[in-house]
Amino acid sequence: DSGVTQTPKHLITATGQRVTLRCSPRSGDLSVYWYQQSLDQGLQFLIQYYNGEERAKGNILERFSAQQFPDLHSELNLSSLELGDSALYFCASSEKTGLSSTEAFFGQGTRLTVV
Amino acid sequence: SQQGEEDPQALSIQEGENATMNCSYKTSINNLQWYRQNSGRGLVHLILIRSNEREKHSGRLRVTLDTSKKSSSLLITASRAADTASYFCAGGGYSGAGSYQLTFGKGTKLSVIP
Repeated sequence: DSGVTQTPKHLITATGQRVTLRCSPRSGDLSVYWYQQSLDQGLQFLIQYYNGEERAKGNILERFSAQQFPDLHSELNLSSLELGDSALYFCASSEKTGLSSTEAFFGQGTRLTVV
Repeated sequence: SQQGEEDPQALSIQEGENATMNCSYKTSINNLQWYRQNSGRGLVHLILIRSNEREKHSGRLRVTLDTSKKSSSLLITASRAADTASYFCAGGGYSGAGSYQLTFGKGTKLSVIP
């Protein structure tokens, strides 16, 4: 068990809908990362938060947004869903940002299926 | 974009054999990490090698790093059926904005046949 909790584990929704994925980082970890994993694109970095502030953006679509709350949990909001958004969405946390040697701890992921 | 490119994309070996996976990366890094993923599950951190290190061992794992060639290799010795999984390399480094990021390759799918 990595200590990172993601809910829900599975989500099936229709095109055009909006969903929210939730992540609770390991206790004490300030940094949260979101990744999307699909068969054809591999593991794509979406966005990173550190202690409530956005720190880095990757290949995140404008239809997607995220935030990190004061209690350090994070939510990833996906709207106007398309079939191509079907993927595994992972959250990872790490102790700090700015260190040269930092490993990330991954949750079990949310499998999103858009039908 | 992917930081690392793993090679091979898929590898099938007999139990007891050694498995070697390679990774090349594009930009400068502070460290290179290897992760393992069982089918459809989360990634598990295996080992981290810093940019000023050349080789590191952890149990049956051996990682090398050649920063001049921007490449790394992961060797799993005496493989077991339970080692069957996908293995990803990830480069840890700083973005232009100064934030630390982990950028993953597409992975090597390892199958160990009992």
